[in-house]
Formats: sequence, C-alpha cells, structure tokens
Amino acid sequence: GAVVSQHPSWVICKSGTSVKIECRSLDFQATTMFWYRQFPKQSLMLMATSNEGSKATYEQGVEKDKFLINHASLTLSTLTVTSAHPEDSSFYICSAERAGAPYNEQFFGPGTRLTVL
Amino acid sequence: GQQLNQSPQSMFIQEGEDVSMNCTSSSIFNTWLWYKQDPGEGPVLLIALYKAGELTSNGRLTAQFGITRKDSFLNISASIPSDVGIYFCAGINNDMRFGAGTRLTVKP
Repeated sequence: GAVVSQHPSWVICKSGTSVKIECRSLDFQATTMFWYRQFPKQSLMLMATSNEGSKATYEQGVEKDKFLINHASLTLSTLTVTSAHPEDSSFYICSAERAGAPYNEQFFGPGTRLTVL
Repeated sequence: GQQLNQSPQSMFIQEGEDVSMNCTSSSIFNTWLWYKQDPGEGPVLLIALYKAGELTSNGRLTAQFGITRKDSFLNISASIPSDVGIYFCAGINNDMRFGAGTRLTVKP
C-alpha cells in the first residue's frame, strides 16, 4: 500500500506555456500533500504544502501566482507551472501524507522532470 | 530555519565496504528519517527513528537517533552495487526538512 503516482513523468514545453503536473495517492486518502523541487545534484526543496479544500501554503520565495496548486480531492493535487521559463526546468516531486502514529508518514511520487525550452 | 548538515556530500567505495553518513542540526528534532533516492525516482523511506538514543536496523542498514536529538547517522554494511543512489536524512518537528544528501557510488 501507500503508492503515490505522478503524471506526467516527464514533459518538455516551450517557454511561456503552462504545464500541469498531477499527484495522486492511489490507495489512501491524503488531506495534505507536498510539492518539492530538486535541481541536479541538490536536495529536495519544499515549495508548498497543499491542503485539501483550502489554499496551499507556500514557502518563502516561491511565487504562488506562478506555481498554482489545487488540492481538489483527498487523492489528487495538481501543480501548474504558469508561463514557464527555462529556469523553471527541474525535477518536481510530490508527496502525500498518510495519517499515522507516531508521525504522519510522507510517501513520495516518482517525480516529474520538466524541461522548458 | 531548521538546517540539516549532512555529510559526506559524496562517497566512492568498493563493493563490500561499509559506509557511514550523518546529519547534524542546531535544532532538536522529534523524528529522524533516512531516505534513498534512485536516479530519476522519488525518495523511498529506509528507516524511521522516533526516540533519542534509538538504534534501528533494516537489513544491512543501521541508523541511530542521537541522544541530543540534534543528530543521526546511517551505516550501510557490506555495500553492494544496488546501494548506489542519493541518501537523504530528514528531520521532523512541525514540518519535515531534508539534508543535502550523500551521493553514494559503489564500484563492483
């Protein structure tokens, strides 16, 4: 159990276009999902916390109007990169939080590689 | 913010050797986690530590939650080629923060 999927696994787009990435928890409900960004040879950087039925919470320095997050159901969160530019090229990873004790465990998706030309 | 200092940044070892990596922080964490990330994949949880001083094993992996709650280490014994990847520590308080990762290369 505890499988998280992401779609697409990779995407190439032209500068100025918008790209939507989906994150799904396949066998559990996730009130909270997280979106991370990872540049080559670097760690995961938390971009935002996605809460079902409410607005996402963005980390400092992350533009909420550029990275739109919608957590429409307990199994789906989407990240839309609006007006993408080459500097947005990165590996985007989501995680879904499953309630448990002693802590709520995060399960990660396989990631989406975005390349903006 | 809560910074995790993970070292070493990278390791190149021979198959069969043991590996040790650690994370330290100036802040106290309630939970320490160790993840492995294969190329092009998301991180997968290896070991979770919940109490100060706790020593936990998972096959050839052993991790410890430091007594001060500000550090943790991960050991891999008798490394094999499939151990290749990036290992991340993560600490949890109100949220989860990741270390910078240790990139492990194992030569057959």
